[in-house]
Amino acid sequence: KNQVEQSPQSLIILEGKNCTLQCNYTVSPFSNLRWYKQDTGRGPVSLTIMTFSENTKSNGRYTATLDADTKQSSLHITASQLSDSASYICVVSGGPGEYGNKLVFGAGTILRVKS
Amino acid sequence: DVKVTQSSRYLVKRTGEKVFLECVQDMDHENMFWYRQDPGLGLRLIYFSYDVKMKEKGDIPEGYSVSREKKERFSLILESASTNQTSMYLCASSLPGGNYEQYFGPGTRLTVT
Repeated sequence: KNQVEQSPQSLIILEGKNCTLQCNYTVSPFSNLRWYKQDTGRGPVSLTIMTFSENTKSNGRYTATLDADTKQSSLHITASQLSDSASYICVVSGGPGEYGNKLVFGAGTILRVKS
Repeated sequence: DVKVTQSSRYLVKRTGEKVFLECVQDMDHENMFWYRQDPGLGLRLIYFSYDVKMKEKGDIPEGYSVSREKKERFSLILESASTNQTSMYLCASSLPGGNYEQYFGPGTRLTVT
């Protein structure tokens, strides 16, 4: 069964600290892996997208890693800010489907950054 | 800049009512999607459309229907709302093919009482 599991479910850190969110998946075949940030009451916004051949990608203070052999990804946030408080969703694209790849969504990790 | 808008941010309906949720995108995207999002669960695909008047069932289509009369507009219809359809509904759009970004709207939080 195609699944994406994220850990931890929730996390509280102090402003300025670093943190790492985990994503394990069993989606096959694999096309790409995406990390989204979803602020409360808003739609998800893409942070990174990585294909099979990429094992790291950065977007400012966000760095995603991918190990396609172990089917694991992580999202590392450096020098956290209050605005980083959000849900972070790992999404794996499988497929191909006739109209595009099927996306499998993780349940998300809720991050709260405290001052 | 891609913009996906949804007709309502919050909606409260009674059991048995017919409910329309509308989504509009301004990037001429072929693909449009409707998801629902519940606490502790990932986004689940209800329906998607790859062209005007074309639709495909997603993972949880029961109790829902959709309409796409124009390329920019994709509507989700709850024929007879039930309390278990209380949820956050998210619309998204993308170019065709598997590796293109999906752009999401702000969501509609629907409560059925």
